[in-house]
Amino acid sequence: AQSVTQLGSHVSVSEGALVLLRCNYSSSVPPYLFWYVQYPNQGLQLLLKYTSAATLVKGINGFEAEFKKSETSFHLTKPSAHMSDAAEYFCAVSEGFGNEKLTFGTGTRLTIIP
Amino acid sequence: DTEVTQTPKHLVMGMTNKKSLKCEQHMGHRAMYWYKQKAKKPPELMFVYSYEKLSINESVPSRFSPECPNSSLLNLHLHALQPEDSALYLCASSQEAGGRGEQFFGPGTRLTVL
Repeated sequence: AQSVTQLGSHVSVSEGALVLLRCNYSSSVPPYLFWYVQYPNQGLQLLLKYTSAATLVKGINGFEAEFKKSETSFHLTKPSAHMSDAAEYFCAVSEGFGNEKLTFGTGTRLTIIP
Repeated sequence: DTEVTQTPKHLVMGMTNKKSLKCEQHMGHRAMYWYKQKAKKPPELMFVYSYEKLSINESVPSRFSPECPNSSLLNLHLHALQPEDSALYLCASSQEAGGRGEQFFGPGTRLTVL
């Protein structure tokens, strides 16, 4: 069975500071990993995905994530936070192989301090 | 066209009403999904249509009924709902079945059951 843990339901950073959102996964097979962002009253938008190619994945809006198998982690980072980054962020895992289920973490609300 | 569209944007209904939510995508995707999202929670998978085959989350009550008229359209029929069914209902699609590809989400329908 697959699962995702996001440490920190709320993260606050100053504008211009480093953003680090943590995600650890559990999967019985090599996983497919995703980060989604959700702005208020909107759907989810894909930031980036890991599908067993390069371990450092670059996404939209300056975000990137590194897949670390030894740590079962897929943390999301951005070097310099912008006010527009304030949103809810979800890490998700899929085992593929015909399993359609995308398992989401509980989410991290990112607040940017001016 | 890289959008998933959902109508209506907002819906208010009584517990005896029958209504339908609509979802459409023109990306040629062969898998479509319905999710339910409560406030401050991650999306929960309700149904999957993959290559015209339906998969159901067995915890979803029968007052929710999906329909897939063709590969571009996905409806969710609602009947005799309860106030606890009030939530954001998200539709998504993916090009690859089997959980390997990212899911593209629509903006959602905000449902209120009185």
